[in-house]
Amino acid sequence: GAVVSQHPSWVICKSGTSVKIECRSLDFQATTMFWYRQFPKQSLMLMATSNEGSKATYEQGVEKDKFLINHASLTLSTLTVTSAHPEDSSFYICSAQPGTFTDTQYFGPGTRLTVL
Amino acid sequence: RKEVEQDPGPFNVPEGATVAFNCTYSNSASQSFFWYRQDCRKEPKLLMSVYSSGNEDGRFTAQLNRASQYISLLIRDSKLSDSATYLCVVNGGGGSYIPTFGRGTSLIVHP
Repeated sequence: GAVVSQHPSWVICKSGTSVKIECRSLDFQATTMFWYRQFPKQSLMLMATSNEGSKATYEQGVEKDKFLINHASLTLSTLTVTSAHPEDSSFYICSAQPGTFTDTQYFGPGTRLTVL
Repeated sequence: RKEVEQDPGPFNVPEGATVAFNCTYSNSASQSFFWYRQDCRKEPKLLMSVYSSGNEDGRFTAQLNRASQYISLLIRDSKLSDSATYLCVVNGGGGSYIPTFGRGTSLIVHP
């Protein structure tokens, strides 16, 4: 089956630092990847849609300068949380779609970010 | 009105019970629908896709009602291992594959 990995699985950082999270599709090419954030007891909130070779599309209310997304290849997308603050502490999950005209998503295991 | 709505629960049922969850969506152009299962502090995992009038997979049955814009998930003979949060996901329609997640319905199956 399609496998998506995320790295790191958890990270603790100091306020003001930047954190990079990687999302990789291991056995398929992903034209589109999604980045989500999930707070405790809340649903997944879509942050942005990342397409290979083009700029990410951010959802309303998500600061593009704070959450930098780079989809440099068909198997890798990165999310960088810049100048992290405690309120950025959350569970960040990526998902990948194999191909353009398919709507099946495969999720990564998530990254738990704690900002002190 | 939220795009995808679910009763958050929790649904607390004994083993062996049958339980049903509903999910309503607002975009009538939506084309595809899914149920995902999410365990605590884990990523969602695809449980079932619902493309036409519904489908069945073992103890799980999903139904789609386009006229009323809702989908349902029926779990028969509940197991302890079914305890999780069940997420309804609707894809936008109109050529969009952007998914919209419901808030999730929590299920607790007890002995």
